[in-house]
Amino acid sequence: AQTVTQSQPEMSVQEAETVTLSCTYDTSESDYYLFWYKQPPSRQMILVIRQEAYKQQNATENRFSVNFQKAAKSFSLKISDSQLGDAAMYFCAYRTTQGGSEKLVFGKGTKLTVNP
Amino acid sequence: ETGVTQTPRHLVMGMTNKKSLKCEQHLGHNAMYWYKQSAKKPLELMFVYNFKEQTENNSVPSRFSPECPNSSHLFLHLHTLQPEDSALYLCASSHYTTGLATDTQYFGPGTRLTVL
Repeated sequence: AQTVTQSQPEMSVQEAETVTLSCTYDTSESDYYLFWYKQPPSRQMILVIRQEAYKQQNATENRFSVNFQKAAKSFSLKISDSQLGDAAMYFCAYRTTQGGSEKLVFGKGTKLTVNP
Repeated sequence: ETGVTQTPRHLVMGMTNKKSLKCEQHLGHNAMYWYKQSAKKPLELMFVYNFKEQTENNSVPSRFSPECPNSSHLFLHLHTLQPEDSALYLCASSHYTTGLATDTQYFGPGTRLTVL
């Protein structure tokens, strides 16, 4: 079974600085999807970024980018120019591409605090 | 309304009560999900519905009973719950293509359930 590990329960960053959140996963599959979701204190889970495992190029969405290391099964999220609104729980998630399965496996999350 | 909505946002119930959680998606998706989010634990997938048919029951106790009358609505009927069932219950939806698992899941704001 696939597992997702987020080793940093909490992180903090100064406004305008850069922070990297780590995520590792365990799978025997060669093709899959990886996601970072953000859950602000209001609780609405929002997709931040997604990566297809077959793509070597790291995904980027504005200030958010990932460092996807397939061999190492690592999928870290980098937030550049951090803003106060980035404060939230961040969840890394894995999903198989095998047909018939829509199961997302989540890590326990990293709470990010942004200091003014 | 847009996106995925959930009602009620907060619910307090006794162990002998019967209540229902409602989820509605306005995204034209055909797959819907229930997740349980407890403190200090990863999100746990409970149920998956594709095209109104239940395709996954993640060993959820029978005191939780899902219902999906159409692809836009999903219910979670609750009866004789236990205090350990207190959690945030999240609904999500996605566009599912038969034989593939390709699309991103979009989450609702959740229902904060407290069982006394």
